[in-house]
Amino acid sequence: DQQVKQNSPSLSVQEGRISILNCDYTNSMFDYFLWYKKYPAEGPTFLISISSIKDKNEDGRFTVFLNKSAKHLSLHIVPSQPGDSAVYFCAANFNYGQNFVFGPGTRLSVLP
Amino acid sequence: DTGVSQDPRHKITKRGQNVTFRCDPISEHNRLYWYRQTLGQGPEFLTYFQNEAQLEKSRLLSDRFSAERPKGSFSTLEIQRTEQGDSAMYLCASSLPYNEQFFGPGTRLTVL
Repeated sequence: DQQVKQNSPSLSVQEGRISILNCDYTNSMFDYFLWYKKYPAEGPTFLISISSIKDKNEDGRFTVFLNKSAKHLSLHIVPSQPGDSAVYFCAANFNYGQNFVFGPGTRLSVLP
Repeated sequence: DTGVSQDPRHKITKRGQNVTFRCDPISEHNRLYWYRQTLGQGPEFLTYFQNEAQLEKSRLLSDRFSAERPKGSFSTLEIQRTEQGDSAMYLCASSLPYNEQFFGPGTRLTVL
């Protein structure tokens, strides 16, 4: 049973437009969420995080939104750039535990 | 220090053989993690160390798998009597306490 779901395996967006990547979770104990980006032949790279005491966190072009009642979070990338093309993973844990649970990933393609 | 390194990057072995992978974390990070990733899935947590102590192991980590971090610096992951189902990318990550994890490039294992 997947506790962290990313239901869109892939997403294509035009350069300059907004990319929205979605993540749903089932475990209501999760209180800390992260997004990682992964290029081919490299390990995942940390992008941005959010704790359950917040509903939004911004870092430059990247914003993560958390809706605890819906057990849903999303990553917004504005404006999207071709270099953003990668696989994006959502991950979650609780109580600062070290056992992060990752979603299956969404492959983003930003078209020039 | 440029990041987490893993060796080898690729390993092809025959079923039944033993394999060992090495991870060198970022030097000031006292936490080290091992994950396994299969095609189309996100990383799955295997085990984690704080300094030399192995503090958590996933039920995914069968008794054929053993991990060590003898001096609290580099770590090794050994798989004994490999099976075809062990074919995967093995990722290592390191972190400071309660901080995001930095991943290495991974070791891709193919069991024939």
